[in-house]
Amino acid sequence: DSGVTQTPKHLITATGQRVTLRCSPRSGDLSVYWYQQSLDQGLQFLIQYYNGEERAKGNILERFSAQQFPDLHSELNLSSLELGDSALYFCASSRLAGGTYNEQFFGPGTRLTVL
Amino acid sequence: GQQVMQIPQYQHVQEGEDFTTYCNSSTTLSNIQWYKQRPGGHPVFLIQLVKSGEVKKQKRLTFQFGEAKKNSSLHITATQTTDVGTYFCAAETSGSRLTFGEGTQLTVNP
Repeated sequence: DSGVTQTPKHLITATGQRVTLRCSPRSGDLSVYWYQQSLDQGLQFLIQYYNGEERAKGNILERFSAQQFPDLHSELNLSSLELGDSALYFCASSRLAGGTYNEQFFGPGTRLTVL
Repeated sequence: GQQVMQIPQYQHVQEGEDFTTYCNSSTTLSNIQWYKQRPGGHPVFLIQLVKSGEVKKQKRLTFQFGEAKKNSSLHITATQTTDVGTYFCAAETSGSRLTFGEGTQLTVNP
């Protein structure tokens, strides 16, 4: 158990719909990262928040948005869903914004299926 | 953007054989991290290498960072079925974001 929690574990929805994925970081971690992992694919970085502020942005689609709240939990919002958005979405947290010795701890992931 | 290339993509071995995965970057890296993802699981941090030429061992796993800090390798001696999973290298690029390699999926036949 990494200490990072993600809800829900599974999500099945239809094209065109909107969903929200939730992540609670490890106690004391200020950074939250979101990754997308498609079937048999690597980890695609979406976005990072540090202490409530957006820190870094990857190849995140305009249909996707995220935020980190004052209690440091984060939400990833996916809208106008397409079949290709079906994937595992991981949240990770780390103590710092970056730099050396700042390993990331991953949550169990949310498996999104768009039908 | 900066890419981290990892090879091979797949590796099938017999239990007891050795396994190596390689990670390469076109630019000098400040450090490199390695993660393991078991089938159906999430990535788990294994180790971080920081110094040029650094070698670290964890039981049967040996991690190396190249002298030029552009490449790294993970070697597993005498694989066991518990080693099954996908091994990812990851490097810090563009500030604080981690760029992951594509991963090497290891299967071990008993």
